[in-house]
Amino acid sequence: GAGVSQSPRYKVTKRGQDVALRCDPISGHVSLYWYRQALGQGPEFLTYFNYEAQQDKSGLPNDRFSAERPEGSISTLTIQRTEQRDSAMYRCASSLVGMRGFTDTQYFGPGTRLTVL
Amino acid sequence: AQKVTQAQTEISVVEKEDVTLDCVYETRDTTYYLFWYKQPPSGELVFLIRRNSFDEQNEISGRYSWNFQKSTSSFNFTITASQVVDSAVYFCALSPIDSNYQLIWGAGTKLIIKP
Repeated sequence: GAGVSQSPRYKVTKRGQDVALRCDPISGHVSLYWYRQALGQGPEFLTYFNYEAQQDKSGLPNDRFSAERPEGSISTLTIQRTEQRDSAMYRCASSLVGMRGFTDTQYFGPGTRLTVL
Repeated sequence: AQKVTQAQTEISVVEKEDVTLDCVYETRDTTYYLFWYKQPPSGELVFLIRRNSFDEQNEISGRYSWNFQKSTSSFNFTITASQVVDSAVYFCALSPIDSNYQLIWGAGTKLIIKP
């Protein structure tokens, strides 16, 4: 079946512009996660959804970052007033379930490479 | 502290050699999960294995094998008869049971397989 998809794959924007990154999880997956990955490092957790509810947004760096998943499927990560330090690979992952006491496998999308000029 | 250490930043071997990637973790939990992911040059993150802390059996999948040793808090990954296509960055990750969705990642080991 289809894996996690993300769009766009590459995004170049000018400092100060808003960007919206999209994630389409594996069909039937309840949980969705956003990560940011700098070059040469492991992914850094940003936020997590169970169905449409945002369960944890503690990893979002500041209030310029927001995410939503209004119908419990596709999710959008929005970065307002982008800055050069926002340049990174943004990854989305999904898992079948995500409940306390049980860790399911997270399957990752190809990522969106964001470059802020 | 919850932490994953992949001490090998980069390993380079010649094709057909065996290679072991080390992963050492720290956690206060008695129940946890460990993962390995592969990031090839194309950039995607590919899931390889998930292991529950109660299951200390070693696992083999083709040329890949994993050695989980709770006594030394290690979850090492061995590739037998390496191939050029194995060239990638490999990440080890830990998921504590009380934070099932928060993966704690190692810094990754870049594996280079030379033809």
